[in-house]
Amino acid sequence: DAGVTQSPTHLIKTRGQQVTLRCSPKSGHDTVSWYQQALGQGPQFIFQYYEEEERQRGNFPDRFSGHQFPNYSSELNVNALLLGDSALYLCASSSPPYEQYFGPGTRLTVT
Amino acid sequence: QKEVEQDPGPLSVPEGAIVSLNCTYSNSAFQYFMWYRQYSRKGPELLMYTYSSGNKEDGRFTAQVDKSSKYISLFIRDSQPSDSATYLCAMSYSGGYQKVTFGTGTKLQVIP
Repeated sequence: DAGVTQSPTHLIKTRGQQVTLRCSPKSGHDTVSWYQQALGQGPQFIFQYYEEEERQRGNFPDRFSGHQFPNYSSELNVNALLLGDSALYLCASSSPPYEQYFGPGTRLTVT
Repeated sequence: QKEVEQDPGPLSVPEGAIVSLNCTYSNSAFQYFMWYRQYSRKGPELLMYTYSSGNKEDGRFTAQVDKSSKYISLFIRDSQPSDSATYLCAMSYSGGYQKVTFGTGTKLQVIP
């Protein structure tokens, strides 16, 4: 079992650009959640996808959007990047009501 | 006030010590309680997962939940240098929705 995988591992973007991050869930999991983790902070919930629909959303602006595909994989898109978007972006998969398993994350640097 | 409060540390202990990590929370709707371990520049790894109040033991790790006090703890016995990491407490509501709310994490260093 490969567990949760994310790509790319690292990414450097310029302010104002757009970025797409990808996630493949653990085998058997149908729910994907995305989190943003700033340096020295705990992960902050962005949104969750189930059956290709956004089921719940945290306190993030509309610049953050996502998608879930029929095979349960997911993408996180961030438009009009700001310096403050620099963080580790984590994907977690689960088969509710059970626990979430996290991927290794994508480290995004905005310059 | 944050929903979940956790002392960021750092906490330094000698090898073999018993480590106690704690979190408090304000939302009584939380039903599921978790502890994650995160090594530097890696994703969080699930250590313990408990539902409602009580204790749960797994090897050297013991998780305690006291819902009446809104207080959760993780104990690590016979701590090892490999336990050096950041420990994140986390919690979520009951049911199928799994938004997880995290503490800020406590950085632990176990000194050989």
